[in-house]
Amino acid sequence: LAKTTQPISMDSYEGQEVNITCSHNNIATNDYITWYQQFPSQGPRFIIQGYKTKVTNEVASLFIPADRKSSTLSLPRVSLSDTAVYYCLVGETSGTYKYIFGTGTRLKVLA
Amino acid sequence: ETGVTQSPTHLIKTRGQQVTLRCSSQSGHNTVSWYQQALGQGPQFIFQYYREEENGRGNFPPRFSGLQFPNYSSELNVNALELDDSALYLCASSLQGFYEQYFGPGTRLTVT
Repeated sequence: LAKTTQPISMDSYEGQEVNITCSHNNIATNDYITWYQQFPSQGPRFIIQGYKTKVTNEVASLFIPADRKSSTLSLPRVSLSDTAVYYCLVGETSGTYKYIFGTGTRLKVLA
Repeated sequence: ETGVTQSPTHLIKTRGQQVTLRCSSQSGHNTVSWYQQALGQGPQFIFQYYREEENGRGNFPPRFSGLQFPNYSSELNVNALELDDSALYLCASSLQGFYEQYFGPGTRLTVT
């Protein structure tokens, strides 16, 4: 089962692009990569999901290299309200299901 | 469309007791997963239920058990509570398969 590693914390300024990388060296063929955002005292909220290459939605982009051993969440033009903990999640979908959350990256956006 | 709800919000139990936490899935979702989140840590996967059967489990002992009901709501039961069981317990619902999971607000369990 793939273990995931993320930077513990990051600081950014409003309006900047933020890139958070998650390492998952032992990712399996059937695993998908999902990113979640969590505010204090709330459950995680889905941001984006991908399997390979690049995925983009209205709030973020997800870059996954060909070897899939890492992934990068890109948040364009962050605002103060993006201050939160960001988790990557690798999911095993072969038969039985298991999900491994990363350690989380605490993003602080400064004015 | 109703989101994922959990009850109770907070709970205090004594070591050795048993506890039951409840979760109502988002409308249309047939899969429920439970996670344990200790303070300052990421969520740890406990297990997942689909069609009333467990179809995935993390590294948690058998004293953590669950149920899923025909309406897709779910319960998490923890027996013989230990101090380390103190955590936020999150329920997430989704469609079968590794799709977007919708999380509830969690139940904060304190074991004394």
